[in-house]
Amino acid sequence: QVQLQESGPGLVKPSQTLSLTCTVSGGSISSGNYYWSWIRQTPGKGLEWIGYIHYSGSTYYNPSLKSRVTISLDTSKNQFSLKLSSVTAADTAVYYCARDPWFDPWGQGTLVTVSS
Amino acid sequence: QPVLTQSSSASASLGSSVKLTCTLSSGHSSYTIAWHQQQPGKAPRYLMKLEHSGRYNKGSGVPDRFSGSSSGADRYLTISNLQFEDEADYYCETWDSNPNWVFGGGTKLTVL
Repeated sequence: QVQLQESGPGLVKPSQTLSLTCTVSGGSISSGNYYWSWIRQTPGKGLEWIGYIHYSGSTYYNPSLKSRVTISLDTSKNQFSLKLSSVTAADTAVYYCARDPWFDPWGQGTLVTVSS
Repeated sequence: QPVLTQSSSASASLGSSVKLTCTLSSGHSSYTIAWHQQQPGKAPRYLMKLEHSGRYNKGSGVPDRFSGSSSGADRYLTISNLQFEDEADYYCETWDSNPNWVFGGGTKLTVL
């Protein structure tokens, strides 16, 4: 059974880059026609899809975040990563990774706070 | 892009049934959606994919008490024999061809 686990700093300073990694266990990130997504959740905006990467390396990003987002893949470590640049307090959220289609399963989530 | 509308809250008694609704915006009534459950303090959990036809495919380990149905632009999640552990936020989700994934605002279910 595939499981996902997010990791990364819980505190990021404004204007810096948020970096998170999702480690996939119980299956290969390169097998099957899956997409690997990042989603975030805030009390104010609810759930927001950030973007995904396919095992082929192709990516798609939410247009509202596209200029600041990079998602990459490391098949040797069975991981994929998120970088969000120029963060502000509005980027404070719980960040989840999940497997597409249909976000099954989700990781447990990690809270990232943007504050000086 | 599609917009998903959900009631903000619902309540029902222990052991009863409840039907939650997710409504697709105009022009998107044929879209397939997914339902997710988020118990307090936990990550969301995939429940099922639900098609316009009413056909649904549940995730691994999802109890038989959970079922889906459709009517026009409405997608329903029915929970029978409600248990206290069903008290949670329920979100619907879909995607368009851009591609872009969108979520409904969620329904907070209280079990009385």
